[in-house]
Amino acid sequence: GIQVEQSPPDLILQEGANSTLRCNFSDSVNNLQWFHQNPWGQLINLFYIPSGTKQNGRLSATTVATERYSLLYISSSQTTDSGVYFCASGGSYIPTFGRGTSLIVHP
Amino acid sequence: NAGVMQNPRHLVRRRGQEARLRCSPMKGHSHVYWYRQLPEEGLKFMVYLQKENIIDESGMPKERFSAEFPKEGPSILRIQQVVRGDSAAYFCASSPPTGDGGYTFGSGTRLTVV
Repeated sequence: GIQVEQSPPDLILQEGANSTLRCNFSDSVNNLQWFHQNPWGQLINLFYIPSGTKQNGRLSATTVATERYSLLYISSSQTTDSGVYFCASGGSYIPTFGRGTSLIVHP
Repeated sequence: NAGVMQNPRHLVRRRGQEARLRCSPMKGHSHVYWYRQLPEEGLKFMVYLQKENIIDESGMPKERFSAEFPKEGPSILRIQQVVRGDSAAYFCASSPPTGDGGYTFGSGTRLTVV
């Protein structure tokens, strides 16, 4: 099956800093999503982005399918951005999750 | 649109009891996926269902676990004779038939086996 690797595994930021999270996948995919799992465990869908670039407020994402990676950008981070960020990709209809990037934003 | 509804949010069972987890997909979604998340880990795929059909159960343990998605009503993940190792968060996701637009997850059921 598809292998999904995320980096970095852990990230600590000061409020206001910018960051880039990376997701590499081992094979061609026709779907790629980024999720945020907040400290209460809820999974929030951030982007469905099999290719191209999308932006939503302070967050944006870019997927380069031909090179098998996706990036999630967080600008002007806030304490509410803390949590775990997962990417999930799949060539079929079943998404495979990476192990996540754990983000802590300090005030 | 109420989104993907999972219940209960929290479930406590004694070892040997049965656990039933329910998932109602988003309106218009006919595909359901169950995932398990152990503490400090990512989400592991368990089973993919469509109405009245199990499409892929490659991630589900062969014993004690079963899933269904009947013609009417929610999808059910059933764990018989629970053990402490079954304690985890169980998430359900749904998608439209084409798979386009991605997957929407429910809030999960946190199972604790005591």
